[in-house]
Amino acid sequence: EIVLTQSPATLSLSPGERATLSCRASQSVSSYLAWYQQKPGQAPRLLIYDASNRATGIPARFSGSGSGTDFTLTISSLEPEDFAVYYCQQRRSWFTFGPGTKLDIK
Amino acid sequence: QVQLVESGGGLVKPGGSLRLSCAASGFTFSDYYMSWIRQAPGKGLEWVSHISSRSSYTNDADSAKGRFTISRDNAKNSLYLQMNSLRAEDTAVYYCVRVLGVIDYWGQGTLVTVSS
Repeated sequence: EIVLTQSPATLSLSPGERATLSCRASQSVSSYLAWYQQKPGQAPRLLIYDASNRATGIPARFSGSGSGTDFTLTISSLEPEDFAVYYCQQRRSWFTFGPGTKLDIK
Repeated sequence: QVQLVESGGGLVKPGGSLRLSCAASGFTFSDYYMSWIRQAPGKGLEWVSHISSRSSYTNDADSAKGRFTISRDNAKNSLYLQMNSLRAEDTAVYYCVRVLGVIDYWGQGTLVTVSS
């Protein structure tokens, strides 16, 4: 099973700041990595697929990068609605998810 | 627009059974693979089970093998999860998701609580 780890577990930032979230895989997942955003009481929403492609309707402030085992989700300038939990997920070998990074307001 | 609406969750005793359903609309259901993903209260996401577009292939997570069965009825645009021998650790919100390589749409989920 491919294990994903995310860091940091919690990230405290202010609106307007830049957020950098990391995801590391226990073995190469090529570019088969996605990022999801989840707000309390809601289902996750796809943000980025195949490491760097924004999903439909996702603002340009969200970007993804990486390949192999190391990936990054960057939010260039935080908006109030961006404070949520972010999960990475690989589809190289079935589906596994990282434990999540909670982005909260400083 | 794509809609996935789960139903069938509730409170069940350990060892009991439950059947979840997911009604799909807004897309050609028979063209897509589908999966169930679950999330225990306050925890992360766990893939449970997966089915191909024509039901020719299914696969389950180790935690579901031998107890859960995924199925679909393309004529009814519906996905199902039959859950038997339920345990306390199966308590979670169960999401029906559409798969196009990536998981691109999620339902709102249905809560399953296993408790005596």
